[in-house]
Amino acid sequence: ILNVEQSPQSLHVQEGDSTNFTCSFPSSNFYALHWYRWETAKSPEALFVMTLNGDEKKKGRISATLNTKEGYSYLYIKGSQPEDSATYLCALGFSNTGKLIFGQGTTLQVKP
Amino acid sequence: DGGITQSPKYLFRKEGQNVTLSCEQNLNHDAMYWYRQDPGQGLRLIYYSQIVNDFQKGDIAEGYSVSREKKESFPLTVTSAQKNPTAFYLCASSQTGNMNTEAFFGQGTRLTVV
Repeated sequence: ILNVEQSPQSLHVQEGDSTNFTCSFPSSNFYALHWYRWETAKSPEALFVMTLNGDEKKKGRISATLNTKEGYSYLYIKGSQPEDSATYLCALGFSNTGKLIFGQGTTLQVKP
Repeated sequence: DGGITQSPKYLFRKEGQNVTLSCEQNLNHDAMYWYRQDPGQGLRLIYYSQIVNDFQKGDIAEGYSVSREKKESFPLTVTSAQKNPTAFYLCASSQTGNMNTEAFFGQGTRLTVV
């Protein structure tokens, strides 16, 4: 079973702080890396899908980078807001098998 | 509205009984997935299907079965062979099985064995 590791497991920050999480993986034999946000009582929603080494994606205050050679992806949130409070999941997609494998998630709590 | 519908939201089952969780999508997606979440753990892949009439075991398929007779439907049966079935179950779909498109999720079914 492939292990997709996310760190930290949980994070508490103050409103306005910038923060980042890590998704690390042992293999580069995947096709795409996905980031999802999962708010309480809602369904997970996609933030980014990245396929290339060195790929960077941005959506508002949230951005992500991918380094397939060293086996990690970073998710950055600039100026955290209380509405950013959620669990952030990363997942590896394997086109040869069709599998989408998730990490354990990082739970972010932003205090007003 | 297009989306994925899981039903029921809450399900109670007696030990020894099989139970089927429904997942329907009207997004015309080829690929569908079933995940299980336990407290303090991430999403673990049970079964997945890249195309109608085909499906593969995920990492924790023992005690579960699926079918994919229609493109829009991917029901999951939790059998009596599943030793610890109490969990939160999430269904997802994506446009294709080649992983370069995002997955869309249902709202989940919480199964409790009583």
